[in-house]
Amino acid sequence: AQSVTQLDSHVSVSEGTPVLLRCNYSSSYSPSLFWYVQHPNKGLQLLLKYTSAATLVKGINGFEAEFKKSETSFHLTKPSAHMSDAAEYFCVVSDHDGGSQGNLIFGKGTKLSVKP
Amino acid sequence: KAGVTQTPRYLIKTRGQQVTLSCSPISGHRSVSWYQQTPGQGLQFLFEYFSETQRNKGNFPGRFSGRQFSNSRSEMNVSTLELGDSALYLCASSLKTDSGANVLTFGAGSRLTVL
Repeated sequence: AQSVTQLDSHVSVSEGTPVLLRCNYSSSYSPSLFWYVQHPNKGLQLLLKYTSAATLVKGINGFEAEFKKSETSFHLTKPSAHMSDAAEYFCVVSDHDGGSQGNLIFGKGTKLSVKP
Repeated sequence: KAGVTQTPRYLIKTRGQQVTLSCSPISGHRSVSWYQQTPGQGLQFLFEYFSETQRNKGNFPGRFSGRQFSNSRSEMNVSTLELGDSALYLCASSLKTDSGANVLTFGAGSRLTVL
């Protein structure tokens, strides 16, 4: 069965410093992996997705993630944090390619705080 | 184009009552999924509908049900509400991409409080 583990429930960085949010996955199949962000009282917004093409995936707002099969990881990074990046981030795995497309497995989330 | 619209945004109910939440997907999206978000359990999949048919269902009791209409709008219903049903209910619609990855676009959610 597929699962996803976000290694940190809370990460705090200073504005202008790098961001690293860690995610490990477990999947029986070749997975699709996503990162979503949720700002307070808002829905989730897709940051980026990996679908077995390039292992380094670039997303919106300067975020990127690297798929490492040998480490079963899909960590999210950003070179320089901005105050507006403060939000909760979810790593998501899906084993379904077509067919049922709603059965995504969400990590517990990592809350990112950005200090001025 | 308009995003995913969920109504109502906030509602308060008492135990034993029932509630219906509505979701209008992005125009052209035929798949609608529902998720429950709570501080303790995080985001959990409820069910998915495609072309008015339930295609997948999560591990929730029968009190949770849903349906989809011919215009792809979806509703979910929770009967005999319990305190533990207090949550943010998120709806997402999707359009399969060429790569096969299923990207969901989420609404802002309906926050249900059960007293």
